[in-house]
Amino acid sequence: QVQLVQSGAEVKKPGASVKVSCRASGYTFTDYHIHWVRQAPGQGPEWLGWINPENGGATYAQKFQGRVTMTRDTSITTAYMELSGLTIDDTALYYCTRIGDSYGVDWYLDLWGRGTLVTVSS
Amino acid sequence: DIQMTQSPSTLSASVGDRVTITCRASQSVRSWLAWYQQKPGKAPQLLIYKASTLESGVPSRFSGRGSGTDFTLSISSLQPDDFATYFCHQYHINSTFGRGTKVEIK
Repeated sequence: QVQLVQSGAEVKKPGASVKVSCRASGYTFTDYHIHWVRQAPGQGPEWLGWINPENGGATYAQKFQGRVTMTRDTSITTAYMELSGLTIDDTALYYCTRIGDSYGVDWYLDLWGRGTLVTVSS
Repeated sequence: DIQMTQSPSTLSASVGDRVTITCRASQSVRSWLAWYQQKPGKAPQLLIYKASTLESGVPSRFSGRGSGTDFTLSISSLQPDDFATYFCHQYHINSTFGRGTKVEIK
């Protein structure tokens, strides 16, 4: 079954870091880019960036430059997103998603994980 | 960053109605635009990509049009399962999403 399985909910204090994992199964992990998107309660989605699982190259949204790091481990077909310097405003559901185009040109998101709730609270 | 403005933010409609949602980009995104449906507690689901291409398995009552800066998502005959929130997503330059349109029962 083609799916992305994310790690469980996290509660962090302001200033801390969080690392979310996303395990891919049912398809060739290195063939499709992984994007990370977050959604605060009642808000539209917000893009954090993407990683190419084949070579590990990552590109981040300007807003998160310096605070986000995306990595992967091809041996266990898992992608990771680490966000540092957490504030209350980082409280959101964090999704890993896959683009539908194996050539990496068409960035529509055809497969989503169920989301990982990150709560930042003092 | 490219800004995506969706309208309306809420739409009240009845089963069988034709509904149209609009998304406007702050600059041209060519045809690099997708639409998603999201239900409470669930991840978004892809409906349309490249402005007008229907994702496999999505009912044909959904359709997308537009290019450049102005796009629409239409549902030809609203079904009970279609009451949800819809988002547009440009991926011409990085990615940005609209704030969503909630389609609710009239």
